[in-house]
Amino acid sequence: NAGVTQTPKFQVLKTGQSMTLQCAQDMNHNSMYWYRQDPGMGLRLIYYSASEGTTDKGEVPNGYNVSRLNKREFSLRLESAAPSQTSVYFCASTRLTGVPNGYTFGSGTRLTVV
Amino acid sequence: AQTVTQSQPEMSVQEAETVTLSCTYDTSESNYYLFWYKQPPSRQMILVIRQEAYKQQNATENRFSVNFQKAAKSFSLKISDSQLGDTAMYFCAFEETSGSRLTFGEGTQLTVNP
Repeated sequence: NAGVTQTPKFQVLKTGQSMTLQCAQDMNHNSMYWYRQDPGMGLRLIYYSASEGTTDKGEVPNGYNVSRLNKREFSLRLESAAPSQTSVYFCASTRLTGVPNGYTFGSGTRLTVV
Repeated sequence: AQTVTQSQPEMSVQEAETVTLSCTYDTSESNYYLFWYKQPPSRQMILVIRQEAYKQQNATENRFSVNFQKAAKSFSLKISDSQLGDTAMYFCAFEETSGSRLTFGEGTQLTVNP
């Protein structure tokens, strides 16, 4: 099925551990995004990639790094996890041209840092 | 920076009745796009409806419609004939230009009671 695929769906980390969240889309979208969702705060943008080869910081980039591996894939890395990074993470993508038709979201990753 | 505010953290409605969710935003731009997303317990983000700021006509999608007041920077969502499956978190979102960053409100948890 066409869409955005995120892995893993659930993860528990110990403080200080590292991990990479994977995201891939098969809709030939140019732009990809990583958001985190916390109760009462909506979704906040961590990093985004407007096109292959470019990445930019969003609202809450500290503690994260990203890689736009190719047009399809956009990964998010936590180098040294902290309890404050406990959250639900969403990857999203959209086409860059034409009238916006909204973002397509992955199913999310629930990350717990203990 | 654009901000989106949803002042109703929780709302409830009886099945078959009508409910309106509020959203306000702040921007200095004249052209932009507004969206309502639904997030059921499955966690999946689902696009409900979108509105282009340059269109005066309010968008409608089946039982979902918006009241877009550009001068007041208000974008409310009306759900008619509420159904149990409408129980979800609803997010208002703002996009300045195609492919630019999507800014979300805090969300409104809607519960439809039988």
